[in-house]
Parts: sequence; structure tokens; C-alpha cells
Amino acid sequence: DSGVTQTPKHLITATGQRVTLRCSPRSGDLSVYWYQQSLDQGLQFLIQYYNGEERAKGNILERFSAQQFPDLHSELNLSSLELGDSALYFCASSVGTGRTEAFFGQGTRLTVV
Amino acid sequence: EDQVTQSPEALRLQEGESSSLNCSYTVSGLRGLFWYRQDPGKGPEFLFTLYSAGEEKEKERLKATLTKKESFLHITAPKPEDSATYLCAVQAAQGAQKLVFGQGTRLTINP
Repeated sequence: DSGVTQTPKHLITATGQRVTLRCSPRSGDLSVYWYQQSLDQGLQFLIQYYNGEERAKGNILERFSAQQFPDLHSELNLSSLELGDSALYFCASSVGTGRTEAFFGQGTRLTVV
Repeated sequence: EDQVTQSPEALRLQEGESSSLNCSYTVSGLRGLFWYRQDPGKGPEFLFTLYSAGEEKEKERLKATLTKKESFLHITAPKPEDSATYLCAVQAAQGAQKLVFGQGTRLTINP
């Protein structure tokens, strides 16, 4: 158990809908990262937050947004969902922003039908 | 652009048959190179971090090494429970602290 908690584990929704994925980082970790993993793309970085502020953006679509709350949990919002958004979404957390390893949650499997 | 290439894509070994997985990388200044293990449908599990060329780290049957252009994950006398996908990732010294992952090596150990 990495200490990173993601909910829900599975999500099935229709095209055009909006969903929210939730992540609780390890105790003491200030950085949260979101990654998308699909069969053909591997693990792709979406966005990073550090202590409530956006720190870095990767290949995140405009339909997707995220935030980190004062208690350090984070949410990833996906809207106007398309079939191609079906993937595993992982959250990872690390202590800070320097030379620190990231620990991953078990992921949310999103299926868009 | 930072890039990670892992080889082979898949590897089948007999139990006890040692081998190595390769991770070649290009990055504009390396902050760290990370190895993870991922089981199907699960999140990546952290194994090692390497920071500078010449560094080595060991954990049970696994040993990771680092040069200026590549890293190797050596697996000695593997067991069936070592079967998993092994992911390599790099973190650049400047800019975003994201991890850039390779596509992984799918390792199968037959009893």
C-alpha cells in the first residue's frame, strides 16, 4: 500500500458527461501529480499541484481541469467525455518538488460508452 | 524533448534465468531516474531512484545501474512473482518536475 488513495476505483459513464476523480496523497506529501495511462500511449503526465498551487502542466486537454484543496487532496475533473478518454487515471504524490520519488495510487479506471 | 526508450518490449525467462532490462534516455540535465514495477490493473510501485552516473542500488533480486545515457535493471535468479511490467522514468533538472515514462518491459517468469 503506497498510502495514496484514489476514488472511485471504476467509473462507467456516457459520452458527453462530466466526472470527478479524487485523490488523497500520502500523509505529509505536498505535491500531487495526475497521469493518464492508455494502452497505446503509456503513462502520460497531465498536471502537478504543489501545496495548493498549479506547478506544471503536461498534455492535459482543455476539457480536463484539476485542483488541490487546503487539506491537500486533489480532484481531476473530466468533462464532455469522449470514447478516447477511456483510460486508467493515476494520482501520485511526493514530499516536495526536488529530488523525491513519487508514490502512485491504485488508479481509477474510466470507461466512456 | 525528454525521451525514454525501454527494451525489450517483452521478455520471457525461465525461473532462475538471470537477465537485464534496458532504459535509454535523453534529458536536458538529469535530476533523477526512477524504476517502477506495475502489475496489471494496479498503480506503479516505486523500486529505485538513481541520481548520478555510476550509482547502483539493490533490492532483493533486483539491481539498478546508471550511466550517462542509460540504465539497466538486472534481475538475478528471478521467480514467477517477479513477473510484471517494469517502467523507467526520468525527471529533468530544470523546468517541470514531471516524470517522463518509457513504454515499459513486460517480464514473464515461467516456473
